[in-house]
Amino acid sequence: RKEVEQDPGPFNVPEGATVAFNCTYSNSASQSFFWYRQDCRKEPKLLMSVYSSGNEDGRFTAQLNRASQYISLLIRDSKLSDSATYLCVVILYNTDKLIFGTGTRLQVFP
Amino acid sequence: NAGVTQTPKFQVLKTGQSMTLQCAQDMNHNSMYWYRQDPGMGLRLIYYSASEGTTDKGEVPNGYNVSRLNKREFSLRLESAAPSQTSVYFCASSEQGPPTLGDTQYFGPGTRLTVL
Repeated sequence: RKEVEQDPGPFNVPEGATVAFNCTYSNSASQSFFWYRQDCRKEPKLLMSVYSSGNEDGRFTAQLNRASQYISLLIRDSKLSDSATYLCVVILYNTDKLIFGTGTRLQVFP
Repeated sequence: NAGVTQTPKFQVLKTGQSMTLQCAQDMNHNSMYWYRQDPGMGLRLIYYSASEGTTDKGEVPNGYNVSRLNKREFSLRLESAAPSQTSVYFCASSEQGPPTLGDTQYFGPGTRLTVL
């Protein structure tokens, strides 16, 4: 089983829609969680950290469920510019590495 | 501020050839990293350098060597390229490191390497 698993998609949604992605992790010693965004043929960029109590940044909401070992990203009022691949990233407690999911592709259409 | 820069952007090698991928950052970051990204695999850490003068192996170090030349520069060398090393290579840096501190990692634009 992969340490971090994501539905590859693509998720095809119209502008203005709300869309949510989940990411499951297998190691209960996972300590920190992030969502990165990667545009086609570009480098990953940090979208937001995921805090235990959940956090929001504009149209984006991230949540963590430690009991079920998953994190989620909710995007409200989707824009064309939100089209990208969203990477889930997990850091294990007391290790020196980030573990990346393979990403979920989002395509927003007019 | 250029951020993280990488050269070259594209490279085609024959099996057995060697090459060095260059990476530099101008953000005065302490930690630097090399990743590879393959379809269906996610980014995997090859090597990292928590500070100038130190390097450590990541998840997939075989076939690679690194040099932390100074605080700004971190190079990745393929001594004898193999087709399995065909990939997109990303360099990244973060202010503090190691990653357990949760520092934001800033990525370079990537090098697309094909080994024939």
